[in-house]
Amino acid sequence: KAGVTQTPRYLIKTRGQQVTLSCSPISGHRSVSWYQQTPGQGLQFLFEYFSETQRNKGNFPGRFSGRQFSNSRSEMNVSTLELGDSALYLCASSIDLASGSYYTYEQYFGPGTRLTVT
Amino acid sequence: AQKITQTQPGMFVQEKEAVTLDCTYDTSDQSYGLFWYKQPSSGEMIFLIYQGSYDEQNATEGRYSLNFQKARKSANLVISASQLGDSAMYFCAMREGMSAGNMLTFGGGTRLMVKP
Repeated sequence: KAGVTQTPRYLIKTRGQQVTLSCSPISGHRSVSWYQQTPGQGLQFLFEYFSETQRNKGNFPGRFSGRQFSNSRSEMNVSTLELGDSALYLCASSIDLASGSYYTYEQYFGPGTRLTVT
Repeated sequence: AQKITQTQPGMFVQEKEAVTLDCTYDTSDQSYGLFWYKQPSSGEMIFLIYQGSYDEQNATEGRYSLNFQKARKSANLVISASQLGDSAMYFCAMREGMSAGNMLTFGGGTRLMVKP
């Protein structure tokens, strides 16, 4: 089974620009979550999408947004980039809570997109 | 207050020895799940082991076991017979409440270095 894929793997943007990152979950997984990882703040939850609806949202400004398509692929967008947005952005997919076993709530992560804002 | 605390920023272990990575958590939910992930220098987060709050037995996955002490709110990861490839960052994470979707809260991580 193919794992979670993220594109692009590396990205360099200029302050003020916007960026779109893409995530394709494991086949059959309908939940996609996004995390930001920085040396200073560690791993922080951005948002989760399930069946094309945002189910959870972390404490990030409105410049960070996302969406999910009918095939469960997800995109996140950051508008008006700031230097502090430089980070590793990780996407994770998980089995559907409603149909999955209580014991199978693993989230499988992709390799991440490393975003550098200059 | 920190929801997940990993008090060991870095640790050394000799190859073939066992090592315990500490994790304490804070939640008022009765239903929650605890996870351990490994992050090598490549950046990808690799799922290691999961423990549900209602699981009566400690989880085990190959060389990994989770020492779950519910009353003390600790979920320590034990790696037996360390290998050089175990050198990586290790993160403890928690999902609170079974209706909360898949939002994970992570600890600050422990960098494990395995010495030959």
